[in-house]
Amino acid sequence: SAVISQKPSRDICQRGTSLTIQCQVDSQVTMMFWYRQQPGQSLTLIATANQGSEATYESGFVIDKFPISRPNLTFSTLTVSNMSPEDSSIYLCSVLSTGIRAKNIQYFGAGTRLSVL
Amino acid sequence: DAKTTQPPSMDCAEGRAANLPCNHSTISGNEYVYWYRQIHSQGPQYIIHGLKNNETNEMASLIITEDRKSSTLILPHATLRDTAVYYCIVRPSNNAGNMLTFGGGTRLMVKP
Repeated sequence: SAVISQKPSRDICQRGTSLTIQCQVDSQVTMMFWYRQQPGQSLTLIATANQGSEATYESGFVIDKFPISRPNLTFSTLTVSNMSPEDSSIYLCSVLSTGIRAKNIQYFGAGTRLSVL
Repeated sequence: DAKTTQPPSMDCAEGRAANLPCNHSTISGNEYVYWYRQIHSQGPQYIIHGLKNNETNEMASLIITEDRKSSTLILPHATLRDTAVYYCIVRPSNNAGNMLTFGGGTRLMVKP
């Protein structure tokens, strides 16, 4: 299985500021994803982080609000820009382990719990 | 993508088997059934997945009906630490571009 480290684990931010969340994986992976989990809700996919190209965003999410970097096969960042209280959520990094032995299983980090005041 | 239907919540007595149902009546022939769980304040954890045969691992068993329109996740001896939200998800396993899409899941409460 893939081991995923997310930083920070939690943060409290002021509205109007930005926060960058880091995701580090212990092995090279092709597919990395960012999800959001609003309070009491299920997970919603924000975007797929593509190595060497722009991220692919889901409906309702835009690059200006959630810029993503993917400089190599083990690292990605998600920035939550110009934050408002509605951005208070848990943000989760996820990777897909591919190949026959890996069985195409998706693994998740512990998440970043963000509160915006 | 095929959608799944799960009961929003279930209770189970500690030490008993927990049987969590999932309906996926529109599942396609190449779609697998995946189960994940999310314990409070943690990221989702992979449990098990299958295509059409029943599967068992150290965590759970997965029973898929012959018509593949429903499945049941079985935790043989539930403990208090199994209290979590359990998600049943269908997606093609042979296409790496298909990420997981989460529904509401079942909130399992294991009681002493």
